[in-house]
Amino acid sequence: EVQLVESGGALVKPGGSLRLSCAASGFTFRKYWMNWVRQAPGKGLLWVSRITGDATSTMYADSVKGRFTISRDNTKNTLYLQMNSLTVEDTAVYFCTFSLSGYAFDIWGQGTMVTVSS
Amino acid sequence: SYELTQPPSVSVSPGQTATITCSGDNLGGRYTCWYQQKPGQSPLLVIYQDEKRPSGIPERFSGSSSGNTATLTISGTQAMDEAHYYCQAWDSYTLWVFGGGTKLTVL
Repeated sequence: EVQLVESGGALVKPGGSLRLSCAASGFTFRKYWMNWVRQAPGKGLLWVSRITGDATSTMYADSVKGRFTISRDNTKNTLYLQMNSLTVEDTAVYFCTFSLSGYAFDIWGQGTMVTVSS
Repeated sequence: SYELTQPPSVSVSPGQTATITCSGDNLGGRYTCWYQQKPGQSPLLVIYQDEKRPSGIPERFSGSSSGNTATLTISGTQAMDEAHYYCQAWDSYTLWVFGGGTKLTVL
């Protein structure tokens, strides 16, 4: 069964850092581009970042560029999101997701909650 | 940056047809997909490439796209279809863009 399991969400103070993880199973992880999408409480979905299968290319939404870093360890089948200089606006559920079919985000994790508050 | 606009809410009676729109510049020239999200759950892909249904999605879900508007149609809407629906398209600069979401109420 294809599965994504996020972890690492926590309560953190403004200006702090956090690293999220997404453990993948049931598919050949290294072959797929992976993404992070977030959802602030009561708000819509926002694409955050993506990384290619071989980790040679990354892209970020303007709102996180320069503060967040996406990475992956294909030996551990794990996706990461290092988040620095966090602000209250980063408070959200963070989902990892990818396209197994090649057309859209058809596989999602359950999400992990990040709360930035003093 | 590229933007997609959805109505905040749509209401429909059970058994009737629900129509949710998504507007964006030349959206018909891009592929649109649609996600359903129920409270406390992860999004679920219900339509991709404008009109295709993933395996397991009921036939009552359909999609279309033309000009600046993509449309998600739910025929014979059921109570279980009550959820938020998000459109999504790809933009060369912004990459993946989501609409603001539409809350579908079945009453």
